[in-house]
Amino acid sequence: EPEVTQTPSHQVTQMGQEVILRCVPISNHLYFYWYRQILGQKVEFLVSFYNNEISEKSEIFDDQFSVERPDGSNFTLKIRSTKLEDSAMYFCASTRRGAPPYEQYFGPGTRLTVT
Amino acid sequence: AQKITQTQPGMFVQEKEAVTLDCTYDTSDPSYGLFWYKQPSSGEMIFLIYQGSYDQQNATEGRYSLNFQKARKSANLVISASQLGDSAMYFCAMREEARNQFYFGTGTSLTVIP
Repeated sequence: EPEVTQTPSHQVTQMGQEVILRCVPISNHLYFYWYRQILGQKVEFLVSFYNNEISEKSEIFDDQFSVERPDGSNFTLKIRSTKLEDSAMYFCASTRRGAPPYEQYFGPGTRLTVT
Repeated sequence: AQKITQTQPGMFVQEKEAVTLDCTYDTSDPSYGLFWYKQPSSGEMIFLIYQGSYDQQNATEGRYSLNFQKARKSANLVISASQLGDSAMYFCAMREEARNQFYFGTGTSLTVIP
């Protein structure tokens, strides 16, 4: 069964460094999402992406964040200058189409630890 | 105001019994979708069930059913015949048709007791 993959599974970085989190959505999916989940807390929407552009972003998704689909398969989240509070699990998700049931397939997540 | 509210931080249920996990939502969009996801201790997010705001019948998927009460803005998840493998965190979520954005609740931790 096709699945969303994410790399790396765990990233440790120093405060102020740039990180790039990578995702490979399911191949025939058109809508892509990034979420974060601080340990033990709820899943928070960061950004949605369709047709090579951002369709929605939350207030969390400030100028330090950017997303890109550099080729036909990868979907990346970049954090330019990491802060301690960016430590969280980051999930990528994709959906096949923009119609119900909007079933999202989530990747296994990347645990980001900022020290 | 919170878009999704889950008021039960933790729930316990006896194996083979049914359990209801509560979810209320807030939106002014007439068209929206409601979702439930399961997050086991391993961390992955697993889609369980979807209910559209215009769906006349409550959604069902195997042992999962969604008790949709539109006037009360509630979308409770009912798990019948609980199994030990149902022990996990459960998140309610909503997507408003006008926006390609999903809102999640704070989750309910379900523990199934043998």
